[in-house]
Amino acid sequence: ETGVTQTPRHLVMGMTNKKSLKCEQHLGHNAMYWYKQSAKKPLELMFVYSLEERVENNSVPSRFSPECPNSSHLFLHLHTLQPEDSALYLCASSQDRDRYNEQFFGPGTRLTVL
Amino acid sequence: GENVEQHPSTLSVQEGDSAVIKCTYSDSASNYFPWYKQELGKGPQLIIDIRSNVGEKKDQRIAVTLNKTAKHFSLHITETQPEDSAVYFCAATGAGTLTFGKGTMLLVSP
Repeated sequence: ETGVTQTPRHLVMGMTNKKSLKCEQHLGHNAMYWYKQSAKKPLELMFVYSLEERVENNSVPSRFSPECPNSSHLFLHLHTLQPEDSALYLCASSQDRDRYNEQFFGPGTRLTVL
Repeated sequence: GENVEQHPSTLSVQEGDSAVIKCTYSDSASNYFPWYKQELGKGPQLIIDIRSNVGEKKDQRIAVTLNKTAKHFSLHITETQPEDSAVYFCAATGAGTLTFGKGTMLLVSP
């Protein structure tokens, strides 16, 4: 596999479920990101990890919990979500957090909360 | 913080025509402006970017222009082809975090 992969590609869950999204990058990058993409809204940055440390958390509700066990893997743990959390969740990586570094995106996980 | 406005939200053109997408930003400290293309079922992919020390950059059929005084930048696609159909996002950053526009859906009809 090359680039940034995400699993699952689609997820349907109830509001009381607990699930996790997985992201893996095969690019040797040091920074990883979670974005939320909703219809007719800009991409919303949720979390940023640099060298496995969380360096940014953009006022995301605690029902979203990120985890970065190593520089190649990033998880987003979900629990007691709301219907308005339904969206496409995109993972991205870049060489480091320098603003000029290209971010490489995965294909996303389409999440539906019932 | 930064605010990026993008227009139009939808753009339909005939194959071979040119397409122009415009963005404005609010933070005069922003100095890096990438454009991403997102095809159906895929994540966004960088297609071109520009830094604030230049006014224009071109790569084959795509070009980006930047007007720092007016705080706006534009994507130009010439000789459009059906495979150009996608959603295009502009973004701006000055402090490391990208702020994205809402996106423009470009439809190129054969």
